[in-house]
Amino acid sequence: DAMVIQNPRYQVTQFGKPVTLSCSQTLNHNVMYWYQQKSSQAPKLLFHYYDKDFNNEADTPDNFQSRRPNTSFCFLDIRSPGLGDAAMYLCATSRDRASGRGEQFFGPGTRLTVL
Amino acid sequence: GNSVTQMEGPVTLSEEAFLTINCTYTATGYPSLFWYVQYPGEGLQLLLKATKADDKGSNKGFEATYRKETTSFHLEKGSVQVSDSAVYFCALSDQGFGNEKLTFGTGTRLTIIP
Repeated sequence: DAMVIQNPRYQVTQFGKPVTLSCSQTLNHNVMYWYQQKSSQAPKLLFHYYDKDFNNEADTPDNFQSRRPNTSFCFLDIRSPGLGDAAMYLCATSRDRASGRGEQFFGPGTRLTVL
Repeated sequence: GNSVTQMEGPVTLSEEAFLTINCTYTATGYPSLFWYVQYPGEGLQLLLKATKADDKGSNKGFEATYRKETTSFHLEKGSVQVSDSAVYFCALSDQGFGNEKLTFGTGTRLTIIP
């Protein structure tokens, strides 16, 4: 089945220790997104890629970076995690505006704990 | 700008009760509308969608109708089950050029009691 895969599902890191979360997709979608979701809140968009074009949200901290080496993979790098970065991180994909209707497909998420 | 206003939770119902979760929106263009469901510890799953006025989305007994005149997309189910316990998010995607983003409501936590 075509899907969005996130690894690992649970990640524990130490305060200030860099961490990378990964996302892969078999849907061949043009657009990939990274969201941060804290408990009982709606997902907050950090950034998205339209093909190779990177689009950062204005309020995304510099501590968060992303890479998309090819269509299928996208990575979220947190350079120096703080306690406030503990959250669920969700990856999502969508087709481009011309062929899709805005529907996004989400992965299962990675739960990040910062000690 | 775009916004989604969603019924405050949490909502607690008995099994087989009728469910309504209200959702209204503000958008500059002609949005597509979605309901996503999130089970504990999981990502978001698309529950249903509607892409134009008067469309009805339906899935797993849930329904929502795109009402342009009232800018609403209320979620309904005639008889809820314990397995429907989850958080429900209403969302819109504006049809504006180059805009692939979703605007989410705050989410409604639903708990069904046997």
